[in-house]
Amino acid sequence: DTAVSQTPKYLVTQMGNDKSIKCEQNLGHDTMYWYKQDSKKFLKIMFSYNNKELIINETVPNRFSPKSPDKAHLNLHINSLELGDSAVYFCASSLILRSGNTIYFGEGSWLTVV
Amino acid sequence: GDSVTQMEGPVTLSEEAFLTINCTYTATGYPSLFWYVQYPGEGLQLLLKATKADDKGSNKGFEATYRKETTSFHLEKGSVQVSDSAVYFCALTGANNLFFGTGTRLTVIP
Repeated sequence: DTAVSQTPKYLVTQMGNDKSIKCEQNLGHDTMYWYKQDSKKFLKIMFSYNNKELIINETVPNRFSPKSPDKAHLNLHINSLELGDSAVYFCASSLILRSGNTIYFGEGSWLTVV
Repeated sequence: GDSVTQMEGPVTLSEEAFLTINCTYTATGYPSLFWYVQYPGEGLQLLLKATKADDKGSNKGFEATYRKETTSFHLEKGSVQVSDSAVYFCALTGANNLFFGTGTRLTVIP
């Protein structure tokens, strides 16, 4: 049973398209995240939700819109895709983040914009 | 702000060699410290963690000790295997976030 699952794993799409990545966790966690990993493997947080409420919204183009229908799901919608959006996007979840709690990651979604 | 500085790679070792990947941190308060590993084509997996000063995290032969006096959390393994080839990330918990180092790519050759 996958704890944090995200789909699709691979996505190749053309510039200008709109796409979504879905994420679900079955760990009973309160908090979910989206991270972006660039081609140099650098990881940066994009968004964080706690109990469906947005608590972190880093400097990300507003073409990226997270949606949390319930605390087990956090989807990422991207409008008007650009070449620079090509990256690996990781969904993650944790209990409320304080000392000792671990963040668990999904397997990643490899997005390629052509 | 909170941050992690990690030894730059890539690191190439022969099988059975000793591994050290350095990690130092800057943080307010008392963060937890983590090492995550990313195998080729896969997601991030927790390798080990430590939640307070002098704690030692260990897993799969890897160890790291939370050193408050030197603000460090260096990753060590006594004898690496080819299957340890991966990218290793040091990280710490800040306010509602996990801050990552830049990652260190390890390649172990037979």
